[in-house]
Amino acid sequence: QKEVEQDPGPLSVPEGAIVSLNCTYSNSAFQYFMWYRQYSRKGPELLMYTYSSGNKEDGRFTAQVDKSSKYISLFIRDSQPSDSATYLCAMRDDKIIFGKGTRLHILP
Amino acid sequence: EAGVAQSPRYKIIEKRQSVAFWCNPISGHATLYWYQQILGQGPKLLIQFQNNGVVDDSQLPKDRFSAERLKGVDSTLKIQPAKLEDSAVYLCASSLVGRDYGYTFGSGTRLTVV
Repeated sequence: QKEVEQDPGPLSVPEGAIVSLNCTYSNSAFQYFMWYRQYSRKGPELLMYTYSSGNKEDGRFTAQVDKSSKYISLFIRDSQPSDSATYLCAMRDDKIIFGKGTRLHILP
Repeated sequence: EAGVAQSPRYKIIEKRQSVAFWCNPISGHATLYWYQQILGQGPKLLIQFQNNGVVDDSQLPKDRFSAERLKGVDSTLKIQPAKLEDSAVYLCASSLVGRDYGYTFGSGTRLTVV
């Protein structure tokens, strides 16, 4: 079992819909949980991070961590075409481990 | 604040040739990372520097890859000789010491080995 599992997609949703992106993990030592957004031919950019379990909201984005289930989620409300990108989950104990990324397409 | 600078943006070489990539981190960022991102995969850490010392190079294929950060600022990553499976985007990232939750990435160098 890989340390971090993420469905690669692609995921296509209409503009304005709520998007749900998820990752599962196996290493219970992970403490920091992050979501990165990567546009085509660009490096990843940090979108959100959370420490341990709980929710964190930033504008249209909400990150959730459930350590008991080893499951993290990113929700995007009122999705826009500019949200079309690859979303990478990442987790950290002594180094950051990335998921494969989910390609998201928001259809106008 | 200027971002992480990388060059070149693209490189095409034949297998068994050598290639070098350059990275200039954000000013003041003591920690520098090189990642390899193969198409359809997440980034994989190759090497981490703090100032000019290596913190982690456990996933660096040392028979062909080398990296240095001589003055604790910019860094070079070299591959010699290159293999077809080295085709990937090589990303450099930097962070402040103790910023455990995220780095700033450059745009990467896209390497194609033919």
